Amino acid sequence: GNSVTQMEGPVTLSEEAFLTINCTYTATGYPSLFWYVQYPGEGLQLLLKATKADDKGSNKGFEATYRKETTSFHLEKGSVQVSDSAVYFCALSPLSSNTGKLIFGQGTTLQVKP
Amino acid sequence: DARVTQTPRHKVTEMGQEVTMRCQPILGHNTVFWYRQTMMQGLELLAYFRNRAPLDDSGMPKDRFSAEMPDATLATLKIQPSEPRDSAVYFCASGLAGDYGYTFGSGTRLTVV
Repeated sequence: GNSVTQMEGPVTLSEEAFLTINCTYTATGYPSLFWYVQYPGEGLQLLLKATKADDKGSNKGFEATYRKETTSFHLEKGSVQVSDSAVYFCALSPLSSNTGKLIFGQGTTLQVKP
Repeated sequence: DARVTQTPRHKVTEMGQEVTMRCQPILGHNTVFWYRQTMMQGLELLAYFRNRAPLDDSGMPKDRFSAEMPDATLATLKIQPSEPRDSAVYFCASGLAGDYGYTFGSGTRLTVV
C-alpha cells in the first residue's frame, strides 16, 4: 500500500543551524510528493511540492528533492530561524488516484532555540 | 487571502451529546476534506467530497459519524452520540481537483468528557 514515514521528533536546533527532516515513502509508480507545515494553533499549509523524479521543490528557504532511487523526499534548510518552529508533514498523492487524496506521515516537530 | 472557515474553534461536550462542526470552503474550490488529528494517530482522513458528492468516507466510524455538503458553501461533520475517544482536532480543507495546494482551516478542537 501507500505510506509515508518521517523521522521521529522532536528535532531541536539552534538558530542558523542546518536542518534535515527525513521522509521516505512507499507507493506504486510515481506519486506526487509534498511538505506541509503546521504552526501552533493553526491548520496545515503547503510548503513545497514535487511531481516527478528529480524535481526539486523550494519555498521560504526550504528545499526537497524527489529521489526515486531511494524513495525519499528529505526536507532541508540551510539556516533555520526561531519562526520555523512548527510541525512538518511529508505527504504523497498516489499516481493511481484521481481523487486528490493525500496520505500524510506522522509529522516531525521542529524546535528552534535562539 | 481566501481562507477556510471552521466553527466552532473549540467545543467541550458531554459524552452522548450530538456535535456538529461546520466548514466554509473557499469559494470556487470543488474538493473538500475532513481530517482528524490526534497525538496517537496523527492525521486521519475521515471523508472527502468532490463537487459536493461524497467520494470516500471509509475513514469514518459509520455508526456515529456523518458528513454532508448541503451546498457549495457549507460542509458539516456530525458525531452522534459523541464519545471521549472522539476528542481531537478536526480539520477541514478545500482545494481544486488536480492541484494539491489544499487550504486547511484552523480546526475545531473537540473535547468530550
